[in-house]
Amino acid sequence: AQTVTQSQPEMSVQEAETVTLSCTYDTSESDYYLFWYKQPPSRQMILVIRQEAYKQQNATENRFSVNFQKAAKSFSLKISDSQLGDAAMYFCAYRSLDMRFGAGTRLTVKP
Amino acid sequence: NAGVTQTPKFQVLKTGQSMTLQCAQDMNHNSMYWYRQDPGMGLRLIYYSASEGTTDKGEVPNGYNVSRLNKREFSLRLESAAPSQTSVYFCASRGTGTNTGELFFGEGSRLTVL
Repeated sequence: AQTVTQSQPEMSVQEAETVTLSCTYDTSESDYYLFWYKQPPSRQMILVIRQEAYKQQNATENRFSVNFQKAAKSFSLKISDSQLGDAAMYFCAYRSLDMRFGAGTRLTVKP
Repeated sequence: NAGVTQTPKFQVLKTGQSMTLQCAQDMNHNSMYWYRQDPGMGLRLIYYSASEGTTDKGEVPNGYNVSRLNKREFSLRLESAAPSQTSVYFCASRGTGTNTGELFFGEGSRLTVL
């Protein structure tokens, strides 16, 4: 079974600075998708960014970008120019047939 | 745009009682999922349904049953609730086309078992 590991239960960043959240996964498959989801206190799950495993180019969405290292099975999320609204739980997820999530990283943004 | 709708949003049960969480999506998605979320453990997959008429176990299926009633609806049933099933439950469906792979989530259902 696939596993997703987020080794940082909590992270903190100063407003306007950059922070990187780590994620590793374990799989024997070659074709899959990776995701980062954000969950603010409202409990809503919001897609931040998506990466297809067959694409070598790292995905970017405005201030959010990933560092996808397929051989190392690593998928980190970089948030640039952090804003107060970025404070939330962040979940890394892996999808092949089903979708598995990591335990999450709570991000605090300091003004 | 309704998306994924879950009911009820809150429920308190006594140990041994049964209940069904309802989920419906209006996006014509084939795949649907049930997760539970507990502090420090992220979202854990209970069951999923890749298409109408099929269901498969996820990571934590014990104590639960599911029904894929039709393409729109995927219900989760607790036959005899236990305090360990106190959690927030999320239903999700998987997109197709340009959104292939992305899950769309309901707002969650908070269940407390006393």
